[in-house]
Formats: sequence, structure tokens, C-alpha cells
Amino acid sequence: DQQVKQNSPSLSVQEGRISILNCDYTNSMFDYFLWYKKYPAEGPTFLISISSIKDKNEDGRFTVFLNKSAKHLSLHIVPSQPGDSAVYFCAASARGTGNQFYFGTGTSLTVIP
Amino acid sequence: DVKVTQSSRYLVKRTGEKVFLECVQDMDHENMFWYRQDPGLGLRLIYFSYDVKMKEKGDIPEGYSVSREKKERFSLILESASTNQTSMYLCASTGTGIGLRSTDTQYFGPGTRLTVL
Repeated sequence: DQQVKQNSPSLSVQEGRISILNCDYTNSMFDYFLWYKKYPAEGPTFLISISSIKDKNEDGRFTVFLNKSAKHLSLHIVPSQPGDSAVYFCAASARGTGNQFYFGTGTSLTVIP
Repeated sequence: DVKVTQSSRYLVKRTGEKVFLECVQDMDHENMFWYRQDPGLGLRLIYFSYDVKMKEKGDIPEGYSVSREKKERFSLILESASTNQTSMYLCASTGTGIGLRSTDTQYFGPGTRLTVL
């Protein structure tokens, strides 16, 4: 059973506009959330994270929003750049699970120049 | 910078062969993980290890085993490869000890694309 879901397999955005990637989770014990970016033929690289005690975390062009009541998080990229074209995975973990992370299925973002 | 390396980027094996995938990290991390990535299924955890000679099953351990004889090395073994094990295999590590810490990120290797014919 998929505990972390990314319902949009793909997204296309014009360069300079905002990209919004969404992620939903079912386990209310999750208290830490991450976004990873993956280029073809490479391993995922960490992008940004958020703890459940916050509802927003910002790092340059990337902002993650967490809505605990809706069990929903989103990644905003502003402005989007062609180099942002990649697959984005959200992941979640819960205290006491030995650092086991649960990953979504990924969203492929294409930024059109 | 953390470095996680995997022994092969691409591997082609025959059904029934025994396959070894090796992963090495250079940051003295306690925890190491093996995932497989398949289209539409995301990353699924096969096994993880939080210490030398320790291992825990993930979500899809069937058909796989692992070995952690040294802290820096975590091996994934396919005892008898089958075509449904054709996939991208990703190794990852984190530096947190076992227990309640959930604030560390995982560092991934570049992946091994395994094809079983």
C-alpha cells in the first residue's frame, strides 16, 4: 500500500513560471518530509526538507509547504529553469522507524525554454 | 562531500544467475539501504542495514538477500535472477544511528541498471 503518493506523473511548465509539484501521504506518524531530484542515469539528490513542526521551508528558488491536516505537501519552484527538468520524488519518514523513508512514485517535470 | 559508489552502472545477466551488486560509502555512515526504482512505482525499499552484520527487510525483500561485513560496504544479492528483477537499483546511506532520529537525508549512489534476460 502506497503511503506516499504523487498523483501527477508529469508536469510541463514554461521557463520563468512557477512549478508546483504535489505529494499526499496517509500515515499520520510521518514527521519529516523531503524532496529529491533525479536526472536520468543518476541517483536522486536531496533538494529540500521540512519537519512537521513547520509549515513552510524555503531555500532559494525552492519552497516546500506542509499541510498536516490535509496530509499534503507541495514543492514550489520559482522561477522555473530548463535545468530543473528532472523527476522529483517526495519522501517521508517517522520517528522510531530506523530511518526508513517512504517514497512517492515521482513527477517528471519539463521546463520549456 | 558524501560519496556513495556502486560497482556497475549497467549489468546484463541471464535468468538463474547469481548476481552481486556492491555499494560503498566513504562517510562512515551507520545506515545503508537498497532500493529498486520502477516506472510508476517510485523507489521501493528492498533491505536496509543499521550496523555491520545487521539487516532488516524492507517492503519487497523476496528474491533478494544482503550482506554487510564491513561498515562501508553493503551488498545486494540476487540468488537466482529472474526477468521481473530487471530494474534500476539504488543504494543509499545516512549517518544517523538507529532509533528515533528522522532528520537526516539519504545520500544515493548513481544506480545500477540491471537487465535480466
